[in-house]
Amino acid sequence: QITLKESGPTLVKPTQTLTLTCTFSGFSLSTSGVGVGWIRQPPGKALEWLALIYWDDDERYSPSLKTRLTITKDTSKNQVVLTMTNMDPVDTATYFCAHHMITSIFDSWGQGTLVTVSS
Amino acid sequence: QSALTQPASVSGSPGQSITISCTGASGDVGDYTYVSWYQQHPGKAPKLIIYGVSNRPSGFSNRFSGSKSGNTASLTISGLQAEDEADYYCGSYTSSSAVFGGGTKLTVL
Repeated sequence: QITLKESGPTLVKPTQTLTLTCTFSGFSLSTSGVGVGWIRQPPGKALEWLALIYWDDDERYSPSLKTRLTITKDTSKNQVVLTMTNMDPVDTATYFCAHHMITSIFDSWGQGTLVTVSS
Repeated sequence: QSALTQPASVSGSPGQSITISCTGASGDVGDYTYVSWYQQHPGKAPKLIIYGVSNRPSGFSNRFSGSKSGNTASLTISGLQAEDEADYYCGSYTSSSAVFGGGTKLTVL
């Protein structure tokens, strides 16, 4: 059974850097074809894909946010970390991490963590 | 990459069938079979209900079906039930990125 859980601060100030950790179980990020992605959802709005990291360290980013995002993995700890720089109130959202396979895209999701950006 | 286009809302009565469309471009939905659909109830994480255009995850209801024609994918829900009331999102994957639709709110009348 695949499970994922997001952790990190619930409140960040404008211009700060957000660091979120996704801790997962039930799969290995060293298995060919496997990835972990981050997706966010502002309150009352649609899903927005942010970033993906694959078993072979290949990284993919949303073109609109690429300059602000970094995704890394620690296979031994079963963790994926997303950093987003220069946070703004418009970045207030629930941030989800999800298991990725190319055929199913995102087949298992974490519960999400709400991050509020406010001074 | 632009978001995929979905109708903002659809509605139907219990027992009826509804279809939600998802229109992309030749760079995503049109060229690839990597189209998925997600169901999201309020306050919950999205749940995969269709992948690879028309495949259902193991154990998921066969009242949900998917298809694709050209640049448009579709999700059909038959025999509507009250618990189907939720937001539905399509998603697609290209060689370089993922993209979601704007979401469709399904109301069961």
